[in-house]
Amino acid sequence: NAGVTQTPKFQVLKTGQSMTLQCAQDMNHNSMYWYRQDPGMGLRLIYYSASEGTTDKGEVPNGYNVSRLNKREFSLRLESAAPSQTSVYFCANSDSYGYTFGSGTRLTVV
Amino acid sequence: ILNVEQSPQSLHVQEGDSTNFTCSFPSSNFYALHWYRWETAKSPEALFVMTLNGDEKKKGRISATLNTKEGYSYLYIKGSQPEDSATYLCASFTGGFKTIFGAGTRLFVKA
Repeated sequence: NAGVTQTPKFQVLKTGQSMTLQCAQDMNHNSMYWYRQDPGMGLRLIYYSASEGTTDKGEVPNGYNVSRLNKREFSLRLESAAPSQTSVYFCANSDSYGYTFGSGTRLTVV
Repeated sequence: ILNVEQSPQSLHVQEGDSTNFTCSFPSSNFYALHWYRWETAKSPEALFVMTLNGDEKKKGRISATLNTKEGYSYLYIKGSQPEDSATYLCASFTGGFKTIFGAGTRLFVKA
């Protein structure tokens, strides 16, 4: 099925550890995004990529890096995890019909 | 940062009730208003993308209206069913890659 696939679904990290969240699409869209969802708040944009090879900061980029090596994949890296990064992370792409989201990654930093 | 406000935060209704909720957004720099349905343990799914003042969209028992001049959109569900239980998100797209999401309205439909 066409869509956005992200891994892993769940992850527990210790403070200071690093990890990469992987995201891949098979919809051939140029734009891809990483959002975080925290209780009582709307989805907040971490980084986005308008096209292959380009990335830009969103609303809450501190503590994160991204990589868009090809049109299909857009990864999010936490270099040194902090408890404030405990959240649910969503990868997404978009077209004129709106966003298509991945299934989410629930990350806990202890 | 532009704010998108949704009300109420949560809503409990009985099966068969009709219901509606509100999304308020800044009317300046408006490009589009999105509605999403988000079931627990799943990802948000697009319901409507609305661009024109006075737009009305319908999908089955769910419909939405848009007022860009005053900055609000209503989502209506006619004859709510338990399977309608979900969080309904709205988002204001202001151009470029700037989309601001509301916190959602959580709907509970009791059988």
